[in-house]
Amino acid sequence: GAGVSQSPRYKVAKRGQDVALRCDPISGHVSLFWYQQALGQGPEFLTYFQNEAQLDKSGLPSDRFFAERPEGSVSTLKIQRTQQEDSAVYLCASSSPSSSYEQYFGPGTRLTVT
Amino acid sequence: QKEVEQNSGPLSVPEGAIASLNCTYSDRGSQSFFWYRQYSGKSPELIMSIYSNGDKEDGRFTAQLNKASQYVSLLIRDSQPSDSATYLCAVSAAGNMLTFGGGTRLMVKP
Repeated sequence: GAGVSQSPRYKVAKRGQDVALRCDPISGHVSLFWYQQALGQGPEFLTYFQNEAQLDKSGLPSDRFFAERPEGSVSTLKIQRTQQEDSAVYLCASSSPSSSYEQYFGPGTRLTVT
Repeated sequence: QKEVEQNSGPLSVPEGAIASLNCTYSDRGSQSFFWYRQYSGKSPELIMSIYSNGDKEDGRFTAQLNKASQYVSLLIRDSQPSDSATYLCAVSAAGNMLTFGGGTRLMVKP
C-alpha cells in the first residue's frame, strides 16, 4: 500500500516568511509524529498526534512552530517568521498499534531559509 | 546529555565481512528498540525492531538487546556495498516518540 507522503519535497524560504509543510500518513495509522533532522545528526522529536489530539509538543523549538491534524489524518507543520536555524529536513512518521508502534517515515521536506 | 549514544564512525568493513553496530541508551523505561538505515539524502527506513532481551534475526540482520546493560546492537552478515549507509538506533516507550542516536556511518568496501 501507499506509504507516508510529504509535500513539498523542497522548500526555499526567505528569512521571515511563513511556511507550511504537509504530511499524509499511512491509511489507518492513528499516530503521527514530526521530527527535525539537521545535517549529520539523528532526527529530533518535535510533536506527536494520536488521531486529531496533539498529545506531546514538547519538542517544538519555539512558539513560531505550530502543528495541527484537524481530522485525524493529514497533518500540517507551520513555521512562522522563518529563521536560518530552521533550515533542516522535516520528517513525518506514522504508526499503528497493529504494527507494534513501528514508525514509518515519509521522504521528508528539506527546508532552506536564506 | 544525549540519551542514545552511537559511535559516529565511519565503520569500514570489507565486502562479505560482518559489520557490528552498537548503541547504548540511558532511559531504563525504554521498551521498544529500532534500527533504521538512512542512505544519503533519503529518509530513515526501518530495518529491525526488538522488544525483549536476546537476539532477533531477519535475513542477514541480527538485532541484540540487553536491557540490564542498556545496550542494543545490530549485526550485518555478509556485508554488501549496498549496505553502505548511516544506521540510526532509536528507542521509545511503547507507542511514543522515538529518541535517536546520532547514527553510525557504515562503509562496505568491495
